[in-house]
Formats: sequence, C-alpha cells, structure tokens
Amino acid sequence: DAKTTQPPSMDCAEGRAANLPCNHSTISGNEYVYWYRQIHSQGPQYIIHGLKNNETNEMASLIITEDRKSSTLILPHATLRDTAVYYCIVSPEGSQGNLIFGKGTKLSVKP
Amino acid sequence: DVKVTQSSRYLVKRTGEKVFLECVQDMDHENMFWYRQDPGLGLRLIYFSYDVKMKEKGDIPEGYSVSREKKERFSLILESASTNQTSMYLCASIATGQAYEQYFGPGTRLTVT
Repeated sequence: DAKTTQPPSMDCAEGRAANLPCNHSTISGNEYVYWYRQIHSQGPQYIIHGLKNNETNEMASLIITEDRKSSTLILPHATLRDTAVYYCIVSPEGSQGNLIFGKGTKLSVKP
Repeated sequence: DVKVTQSSRYLVKRTGEKVFLECVQDMDHENMFWYRQDPGLGLRLIYFSYDVKMKEKGDIPEGYSVSREKKERFSLILESASTNQTSMYLCASIATGQAYEQYFGPGTRLTVT
C-alpha cells in the first residue's frame, strides 16, 4: 500500500499557483519524498524530490514540513498543460527505483 | 534525452494467446521495471530487473514472466492472456544511484478479448 494520502482531485485557475498537498505521517528518517505527474495517455514524469529541506527546480517547488509528516508541491504559475495526475511517493534512499505509486491527485487547470 | 520506447501503443489479443511486450531504453540504465495501471488502482509493479538476466517479482507477478537478455531491453510476457490482463502497461528505467528519477515509456494499452 502507498504510504501517502492525497486528495483525489483539485482545480486551479490558469496562471495561479497550484498547491498540491500530501500526507506521509509514517515516513521514516531515510525516506525521501518524490513527486511525479502523469499527463493523459503518457507515462509518468519525474518532477522533484527531497528529504528534509525545501527544494526548487525549473518545474516546481517542494515544501516539506519540519516534522516531515507532510509536504506540498507548488506549481508557481499553472498552465493548461499542467493538467495531470500528480503522485506523491515516499521511498528509502537507494531503493533502486521500485517506487510505490498511489492514486494521486487529479489536477485540473482551468482557463 | 533519455528515451524509453515500447513496441506498441495499442494491442488487441485474444484470450489464451501468448503476448510479448517489449521495452527498450537508450541510456545504459541498469534497472528496468514493468508496471500495469488500472483505473482506481494506480500503478502496480509486476516485475523488475537490476541487471541482465536478473529479475525480481513485484507486487503482482502472477500470470506474467519477463526476460532481460540485453541491458537495453526488458520484455514482459503473458504466457496465456486473459481478459483480466486488459490494462495499460508501463515500462520504466533508472540508473543505479539515481533512484529518484525513473524514466517511463509511453505505455501499451492491451485489450484481451
């Protein structure tokens, strides 16, 4: 079973920030938080990952709470092309990639 | 760019047929994975491989087998297809030491009638 809880769906207006929450209250000290997304009819795509500190890349920002029991993925200026299912995953470092994908959050960006 | 390609986007097979799904990656990744994706169930891991000729069962290996004769190619085999194997099949690869970034193929939508 996935170790994360995400809302099944969210809406966001185009151009606004999309904030996608994830709860991972049983996360262990050596587990990272990963975010992937899956656009319709495509394979999942890696977005970002982090352990303790907040992270930012060209796609998104990841905010992890101090107790590491939850995190938020932020898409700063959502576009229609960001409409996708977003998966939050926790997995140990060196897990060799066998990530467990849950059901994710369906983000709909509306004009 | 890393490319993971799958042999077919859409496939229709009959019950009882032997089905081969091929996956090829061009980045010399050691690790490769086969998932199936069904509505409401997310992605479920079928098999994975850490090296040539090595394979490990995932969460739902029943009814499937795999083959990894070359590093770049990982095949999923349905020995006798059944209707409950109708699904989207996704292949992924990852380099050892970079466990965070799996690269996925576009998927094969298999329908078994």
